[in-house]
Amino acid sequence: ETGVTQTPRHLVMGMTNKKSLKCEQHLGHNAMYWYKQSAKKPLELMFVYNFKEQTENNSVPSRFSPECPNSSHLFLHLHTLQPEDSALYLCASSQDLASSYEQYFGPGTRLTVT
Amino acid sequence: GENVEQHPSTLSVQEGDSAVIKCTYSDSASNYFPWYKQELGKRPQLIIDIRSNVGEKKDQRIAVTLNKTAKHFSLHITETQPEDSAVYFCAASWTSYGKLTFGQGTILTVHP
Repeated sequence: ETGVTQTPRHLVMGMTNKKSLKCEQHLGHNAMYWYKQSAKKPLELMFVYNFKEQTENNSVPSRFSPECPNSSHLFLHLHTLQPEDSALYLCASSQDLASSYEQYFGPGTRLTVT
Repeated sequence: GENVEQHPSTLSVQEGDSAVIKCTYSDSASNYFPWYKQELGKRPQLIIDIRSNVGEKKDQRIAVTLNKTAKHFSLHITETQPEDSAVYFCAASWTSYGKLTFGQGTILTVHP
């Protein structure tokens, strides 16, 4: 399964660190998403990009900063995180927002904030 | 905004039995309802979806029903197999917006 890839797969960082998560899709899609998956909570949509433009910021704290340089790549820059930010961060893509609804997920990055 | 409630949170069945997972949604404008399956340690994958102009959709052993009036939809798995064991998520969205609101998930365990 190489449609949507994410790196790193695991990340441990201190609260003062700065790190970035990377997502790449090889499906020719134009919409990309960041989700947070915490234990015992629903998948939470964080950001949506359509044709490189951010269309949704779901009230995400500014310590999470997304970047979408092109339709194939999506980054999530992290700084001064809190322990409660520890979670699985999933990237997803879809054809675009208007014509296709199936979202293809990456394997996720398991983030632990110490 | 949309709110999706999913029940039960855990479901345990014997192999061969049927399993039913139910979801309710709050926004009457929602018109797309997918179901995702997430096996342990793996990514969520779409298994079936339904749009609001359809009341039922079936794909082999899985089916989804939608009641727009009551604003609820259900996933039905018949003749369950151990490989059906996973977490199942329902979701709802409004067309052309891309914003899926997910339910809390149901951990399904199928015992051989």
